[in-house]
Amino acid sequence: ETGVTQSPTHLIKTRGQQVTLRCSSQSGHNTVSWYQQALGQGPQFIFQYYREEENGRGNFPPRFSGLQFPNYSSELNVNALELDDSALYLCASSLGTETEAFFGQGTRLTVV
Amino acid sequence: QKEVEQDPGPLSVPEGAIVSLNCTYSNSAFQYFMWYRQYSRKGPELLMYTYSSGNKEDGRFTAQVDKSSKYISLFIRDSQPSDSATYLCATETGANNLFFGTGTRLTVIP
Repeated sequence: ETGVTQSPTHLIKTRGQQVTLRCSSQSGHNTVSWYQQALGQGPQFIFQYYREEENGRGNFPPRFSGLQFPNYSSELNVNALELDDSALYLCASSLGTETEAFFGQGTRLTVV
Repeated sequence: QKEVEQDPGPLSVPEGAIVSLNCTYSNSAFQYFMWYRQYSRKGPELLMYTYSSGNKEDGRFTAQVDKSSKYISLFIRDSQPSDSATYLCATETGANNLFFGTGTRLTVIP
């Protein structure tokens, strides 16, 4: 059984650029959630995908968008990057929306 | 008011000590309570997952939930240097939208 994997592990982008982060959910899991963790803070919920549909969104602007594929892997897209978008982006997968969520190792994004 | 409040520490204890980590939450709709351990530059690792008030034990770890006072705790017995990490409490209403505390950084000194 494979765990949650994210790619890339590190990324440096310039302000105004666009970025795509990827997540492969744990085998058998159909729900993927994305979180942003700023330095020294707890993770903050961005949005969740359940069976390829968005199933809840946190307090993030529309330039944060996502996608879930038929194999339940997922992408997080961020447009018009800002310096404050620098953070660890975490993906978590679960079986349904009411069971334990397991996290990947994260993608550290630095915007310069 | 933040949904979940957690003392960020840092907390330093000698090896073998009992560690107590605590959080409070504001929304009585929260039903599920979790503790995650996060090592530096890694993703959070699920330690404990509880639904109701009361205690849940797993080896050296005990999670405690008091819904009447909106208080959640994690106790670590016989702490080890390998327990040194940031501990995050989290809660949710059941939709898997997790609300996290800021995390408490723990150092166990050999």
